[in-house]
Amino acid sequence: QVTLRESGPALVKPTQTLTLTCTFSGFSLSTSGMCVSWIRQPPGKALEWLALIDWDDDKYYSTSLKTRLTISKDTSKNQVVLTMTNMDPVDTATYYCARTMGGAVASFDYWGQGTLVTVSS
Amino acid sequence: QSVLTQPPSVSGAPGQRVTISCTGSSSNIGAGYDVHWYQQLPGTAPKLLIYGNSNRPSGVPDRFSGSKSGTSASLAISGLQAEDEADYYCQSYDSSLSVYVVFGGGTKLTVL
Repeated sequence: QVTLRESGPALVKPTQTLTLTCTFSGFSLSTSGMCVSWIRQPPGKALEWLALIDWDDDKYYSTSLKTRLTISKDTSKNQVVLTMTNMDPVDTATYYCARTMGGAVASFDYWGQGTLVTVSS
Repeated sequence: QSVLTQPPSVSGAPGQRVTISCTGSSSNIGAGYDVHWYQQLPGTAPKLLIYGNSNRPSGVPDRFSGSKSGTSASLAISGLQAEDEADYYCQSYDSSLSVYVVFGGGTKLTVL
C-alpha cells in the first residue's frame, strides 16, 4: 500500500535552514505521471501548497516562497527532500508531503501524517 | 487570503443536507481545471474526498458529492452524521502568475 512519512527537526531557530525528508513506499517516483508535493498548514489555518517534483525531475514552486525553497528527489531511496531557507516564526506549521498522479492539476490521493515544525529562538 | 473562497463555517443537524461552496476565477476553476475536495478531521492529515469535480475515491460514502459550474464548485453532504464534523478544503490549479496548486481557505462543518 502507499505510505508517506515526513521527518525533520521539530524546532528550528529564526534564520536557520529547514530540511525535511519525505520517505515513501508503495509507488516509484520514476513512474510516468508520478509527483510528490509539500504542503504546510500553520496552526488553526488553511493548507498552503509549497512545491512539487515530478517523475521527470521537473520542479514547481509557490510563487511567494520560490526564492526560499528547493525540492529534490532520490529515486533509489524513495525520498523527496524540501529545504526552506531563512526560517521565520511565521513558518511555524505542520508540513505534509503528498502524492499526486498527473501533475499539479491532479488531486493529492495519499498524504503523510505531517510533521510540526516550530520556529523559535 | 486564499485564491479559492470558501465560507468559514457551515452547520446542520444530523440527517440534514449541507453544501460548501468554493468560488474561484477565470484562471482556475473557470478555466476548466478540476476541483478536488479534502476532509480533515481534528488532529489528522487531510483525506481525499472528491477528485475531478465529482468522483469519489473507493471507500468514500455516496453521501458526499461534488459538482462544478462556471467559476465555482460545491461539495454536498447528505444524511449528516456526527462523524462528518471536520474541516473541508477545495483545491484546484491556477494558471496565472505560475501559482500552480491552490487551496480554499477551508470550511468548518459543525453537526448540531
